[in-house]
Amino acid sequence: AQRVTQPEKLLSVFKGAPVELKCNYSYSGSPELFWYVQYSRQRLQLLLRHISRESIKGFTADLNKGETSFHLKKPFAQEEDSAMYYCALGSGNTGKLIFGQGTTLQVKP
Amino acid sequence: NAGVTQTPKFRILKIGQSMTLQCTQDMNHNYMYWYRQDPGMGLKLIYYSVGAGITDKGEVPNGYNVSRSTTEDFPLRLELAAPSQTSVYFCASSYLGQGTYEQYFGPGTRLTVT
Repeated sequence: AQRVTQPEKLLSVFKGAPVELKCNYSYSGSPELFWYVQYSRQRLQLLLRHISRESIKGFTADLNKGETSFHLKKPFAQEEDSAMYYCALGSGNTGKLIFGQGTTLQVKP
Repeated sequence: NAGVTQTPKFRILKIGQSMTLQCTQDMNHNYMYWYRQDPGMGLKLIYYSVGAGITDKGEVPNGYNVSRSTTEDFPLRLELAAPSQTSVYFCASSYLGQGTYEQYFGPGTRLTVT
């Protein structure tokens, strides 16, 4: 079964601390994985995708097929990073995404 | 471009009432989706459409209906509203090209059924 798991509902760190938001997936084919972010009172937006291998707002995510993980990392958290983060798995040829439960990142001053 | 727009932003319904959540996109995207977002549950796909005249069920379709008569519009209909349909509803659209799955979301509709 296709599934995305984000084990932490809430991650609270201090400003300047490293951040790692965990994401594990279950998928039989070649996965396409994404991180979406929802800032307070804003719509969901794409943060990054694994095929781009890019860094957005200091965040990176590496696909580890052996561990079936796609963790989101940032070396030094900023208060403006506080938001809800969703890991998502692309499924089939209909563009459907399977979302994890989401992790709220709280960066304290 | 306005992107994906949704109306209304908020609505309170009584049990048994019906309503339509509107969704419009002006990006000429062929794919559109409806999700519901419940605390601690992430986003669940209700219905989706791969083009005008074509719709299909997602993970949680019961109690909802959709139609796609034009590329731009993808309304979601709630018949006989129930408290379990209290949620935030998001519409999204995408254009599948070169295997991209990037979806563009609307601002959401917060629905309360009492």
